[in-house]
Amino acid sequence: DGGITQSPKYLFRKEGQNVTLSCEQNLNHDAMYWYRQDPGQGLRLIYYSQIVNDFQKGDIAEGYSVSREKKESFPLTVTSAQKNPTAFYLCASSISVDQPQHFGDGTRLSIL
Amino acid sequence: ELKVEQNPLFLSMQEGKNYTIYCNYSTTSDRLYWYRQDPGKSLESLFVLLSNGAVKQEGRLMASLDTKARLSTLHITAAVHDLSATYFCAVRETSGSRLTFGEGTQLTVNP
Repeated sequence: DGGITQSPKYLFRKEGQNVTLSCEQNLNHDAMYWYRQDPGQGLRLIYYSQIVNDFQKGDIAEGYSVSREKKESFPLTVTSAQKNPTAFYLCASSISVDQPQHFGDGTRLSIL
Repeated sequence: ELKVEQNPLFLSMQEGKNYTIYCNYSTTSDRLYWYRQDPGKSLESLFVLLSNGAVKQEGRLMASLDTKARLSTLHITAAVHDLSATYFCAVRETSGSRLTFGEGTQLTVNP
C-alpha cells in the first residue's frame, strides 16, 4: 500500500541530545513537509522540500535541520538548540506544492 | 504574511442539530483545504476548494468558498457523534508553495 511512514511513534529526548525523526513515502511525491503541532493548536511549518536536494525554512525552523537526499525520505533532526521540543510532529507529502498534502501518523516527542 | 482564522475554536452541539464553522484568510488564495483530525491521530483530507463559489459535499459535511470575502465555511447537517473531531482549514496563498493552517475547531457532538 502507498503511504507515508513516520517512525518512531514515540520518542524521548535527553537534555543536550539531538534526535532524528524519520519520514518515508512511497507515493512518488516530489514535495515533502514537516509540521509541529502543540496541544490544542494548529500546525506550524518547520521545513519543506519541493524537490530532491532542495529545502526551505518554514515559520519555526530554528533548532531543527533536515535533509532531502532521496525522493522518498525527508528526515527531521531536532537539535539541542531547540529548547522546547515537546510536541507532535507530522510529516506530509504531495505530488507538487499545489496538490493536496497527505499526512503520516506522526511522532510524539517528549523530554526526559 | 497570510493569516488564517477559524471560529469558533470550540463547538459543542447536540446530535441532529446544524452548525457552521468559519475560516477567514487575509490574502488572495488559489486553494483552500479542509482537514479532520481525531484525537492523537493524523490529519485526513476532507475537501479541496479551488474557485469562487465552489461547493463540495460529503455526507453531512458541506464546504464552500467565497474568494471575494476570503471566507470558507464548513456546514454540518444533522450532526452525529461520529463527527466529533478537530477540523482545520488550510490556505495556499496564490502561487505559493506552502499551506497556512488555522488553529482548528474542536467539535464535540453530544448524544
